[in-house]
This record gives sequence, C-alpha cells and structure tokens, in this order.
Amino acid sequence: DAGITQSPRYKITETGRQVTLMCHQTWSHSYMFWYRQDLGHGLRLIYYSAAADITDKGEVPDGYVVSRSKTENFPLTLESATRSQTSVYFCASSLTGVDYEQYFGPGTRLTVT
Amino acid sequence: SQQGEEDPQALSIQEGENATMNCSYKTSINNLQWYRQNSGRGLVHLILIRSNEREKHSGRLRVTLDTSKKSSSLLITASRAADTASYFCAPSGNTPLVFGKGTRLSVIA
Repeated sequence: DAGITQSPRYKITETGRQVTLMCHQTWSHSYMFWYRQDLGHGLRLIYYSAAADITDKGEVPDGYVVSRSKTENFPLTLESATRSQTSVYFCASSLTGVDYEQYFGPGTRLTVT
Repeated sequence: SQQGEEDPQALSIQEGENATMNCSYKTSINNLQWYRQNSGRGLVHLILIRSNEREKHSGRLRVTLDTSKKSSSLLITASRAADTASYFCAPSGNTPLVFGKGTRLSVIA
C-alpha cells in the first residue's frame, strides 16, 4: 500500500524550462492539494482539486498549472521555471473535504538555477 | 482564510518534560487540526478537534480548544527525542487549510 507518492524527489532545472512534478495516491481520495514550503513562509497552497477535472487556485497559483484527469493523479507543471520557484513541493490528499485530515507525500525538492 | 499562528516559534526542552505549544486564530471554525513535520518530511496529521469539543486526547497528546478565545493548545507529555519536529495548527471552516509557520520543538536527550 504505497499511499501517496511524489516524483521526482529531487530536481534541478534551469530558468525557463518546463517542469512537471508528479503526485499519485492509491486511496481514491477525492481531494488533492499542492503546497510549497519556503523558509520564512511556511506552507502555502498552490492549487487544489475536489475531484477529477475540478481544480481551484490556492494562495500562490501564478506560474503553475495543474490538471486532474484521473482521481489518483495530480501533476503540477511549472510552465517556465523561475528562481523564485525554488522550493520544496508537497502534495497531499484528503478523503472528506478541503478542511479535513490531509495525508502528505514525501515532497519534491526543486532547485531552479 | 483560517490561518493559525503558533506560539512559541521555537521550544527546547529536556527529554521527559512536557511540551506545550499554542495556536491562535481569528475567525470562526468547524474544527482545528494539529500536524507534525519531521525534518525533510511531509506533514503528518496528529489530531482533529471539532468546534464543539473542548479537549481531546491521543496517546501522549492532549489538545484543548477554546472557541471563545479563538485559541488551542497542544500538550505533549513525557517528551522523547523522537518528538523533535515542527508542529503546525490548522484551524478550518469549509475552506482549504492554511498553515502557519509552526512551532519548532527540540527535545534534548
């Protein structure tokens, strides 16, 4: 039972490149979330999804794109990476709602050079 | 949004002591959750307390909620080195969770 996984775990990319971070959960949870965590800012919500084909913006969505064609997958794409997007990215899922218990993945550490 | 603010920002105690951290928030809530984050890992859900509850226990964890003061506290009893982590509160009410900057707990063996 893998739970929630993220790939890659570490990524270095150059400014301007497109990068996709993957998130996969095996619980069939309806809700999925993407956060970024930076020193001094805590965790900030980028996008979330209530179900397949339903997504909504969080606190810091600019520069990011998400899709959710299948319940179990919620990829996050940086269309043209910038240095300010260097961060640790966490995916999470929830069975019952946006404000209930969330299960977090192990994170992806992204460095944009 | 429902962001909570944890206090203190950092706490250092000896193994075996109790650790108390607090959370304040500004708006009405349906529930309040506490999460733990070990260094380099994702957050782990510890406990959820509903707005109509005043106290909840889970193992060595005790959470209180005072909706009149818009505050909550997390008590970890008989702390262990493995409790060293950051702790986040997430007050919630029909909107996505907003995490604060957390309390960084160091338990010294």
